[in-house]
Amino acid sequence: AQSVSQHNHHVILSEAASLELGCNYSYGGTVNLFWYVQYPGQHLQLLLKYFSGDPLVKGIKGFEAEFIKSKFSFNLRKPSVQWSDTAEYFCAVNWDYGQNFVFGPGTRLSVLP
Amino acid sequence: KAGVTQTPRYLIKTRGQQVTLSCSPISGHRSVSWYQQTPGQGLQFLFEYFSETQRNKGNFPGRFSGRQFSNSRSEMNVSTLELGDSALYLCASSQDDPVGAFFGQGTRLTVV
Repeated sequence: AQSVSQHNHHVILSEAASLELGCNYSYGGTVNLFWYVQYPGQHLQLLLKYFSGDPLVKGIKGFEAEFIKSKFSFNLRKPSVQWSDTAEYFCAVNWDYGQNFVFGPGTRLSVLP
Repeated sequence: KAGVTQTPRYLIKTRGQQVTLSCSPISGHRSVSWYQQTPGQGLQFLFEYFSETQRNKGNFPGRFSGRQFSNSRSEMNVSTLELGDSALYLCASSQDDPVGAFFGQGTRLTVV
């Protein structure tokens, strides 16, 4: 079955530290890849997406992600986190046609001021 | 542009009852998908509707059903509620291309 894993359940960083959240999916083929963020009390918001082309994609709020096809990975990065980045981050993959995503379990990020 | 609107925001139901949740997508979006979010299972895909037809279906029992109307609004129904159906139910809408989906705030269903 298709699955998505995220490396860390909870990450704690100090402000200005660099961030990398890992995401791997179960097998290849044509995939569409997404990172979503859920701030406390808010709905899921799209951070960035990859469909094709340049494997390094840039999203909102200074986030970027790199697609490495050979590793079935799509890791999220930010050079310098802020307290306001405290949230839960979900990696999502879409294999089929349509808008049915398989989500990873999420990584909770806590940024200490 | 208004976002995805889900009603009601909160529901409390008794085991054995049925419930209907509603989702109004972003104007112009023809795809509506539903997800269940629980602490134990995370976000799980229920089904997707496009132009009033179910296009994809997740691995949920037949008690979970949905439909989409000609104006793209969608409803989700759960019959014979069980305690384990307590969850946040999320609706997402999108255009019919891989731009990603836009999520609503969700309906918090509690089954007692």
